[in-house]
Amino acid sequence: QVTLKESGPALVKPTQTLTLTCTFSGFSLTTTGLRVSWIRQPPGKALEWLARIDWDDDKLYSTSLKTRLTISKDTSKNQVVLIMTNMGPMDTATYYCARMIYDGSGYPYFDYWGQGILVTVSS
Amino acid sequence: SSELTQDPAVSVALGQTVKITCQGDSLINYYASWYQQKPGQAPILIIYSKNSRPSGIPDRFSGSGSGNTASLTITGAQAEDEADYYCNSRDSGVNHVLFGGGTKLTVL
Repeated sequence: QVTLKESGPALVKPTQTLTLTCTFSGFSLTTTGLRVSWIRQPPGKALEWLARIDWDDDKLYSTSLKTRLTISKDTSKNQVVLIMTNMGPMDTATYYCARMIYDGSGYPYFDYWGQGILVTVSS
Repeated sequence: SSELTQDPAVSVALGQTVKITCQGDSLINYYASWYQQKPGQAPILIIYSKNSRPSGIPDRFSGSGSGNTASLTITGAQAEDEADYYCNSRDSGVNHVLFGGGTKLTVL
């Protein structure tokens, strides 16, 4: 049974750095082809993909946010960490981690999602 | 362009068929996956690899694609299908992930 769960602060101040942890079970990020992504959703708005990390430690970031994001993994703890610097009110959102797969033809999809964590940026 | 466009809202009568579309240049090369999101819940994968359904997803949900448009069809919509639906694909220029803006489905 695959599960993912996000943890981190519910409230951060403007200019602070956000650190979110995704703790997962039911799979290993050492398995070839598996990846974990972070996705966020501002209140009432659409999903936005942020970053992904692969089984071989390859990493990819959203073009618009790449200067502010760092993604890493600890395979011994089954955790993926996302760091986002210089937080602002526009970063208020529910942050999800999700297991990511590319099918045999290269099409990406997210088959398991965490419950999400709402992060509010406010002074 | 690196965008996926969806109609903001669509409605369907109970038991009827509805098609939700997703348009974007990247869909010429890549199929879309589809997600259902109900209020206060995380998205759920309902269609991947053009027209595959994860275990537990009813067969009234199906996917298709033509040119730069992907479609999610619900045949015989049920009250519990009322939700937001998002498409997702891959940017044709770089290996990035795209999401559509979402479609709010109302079942009348």
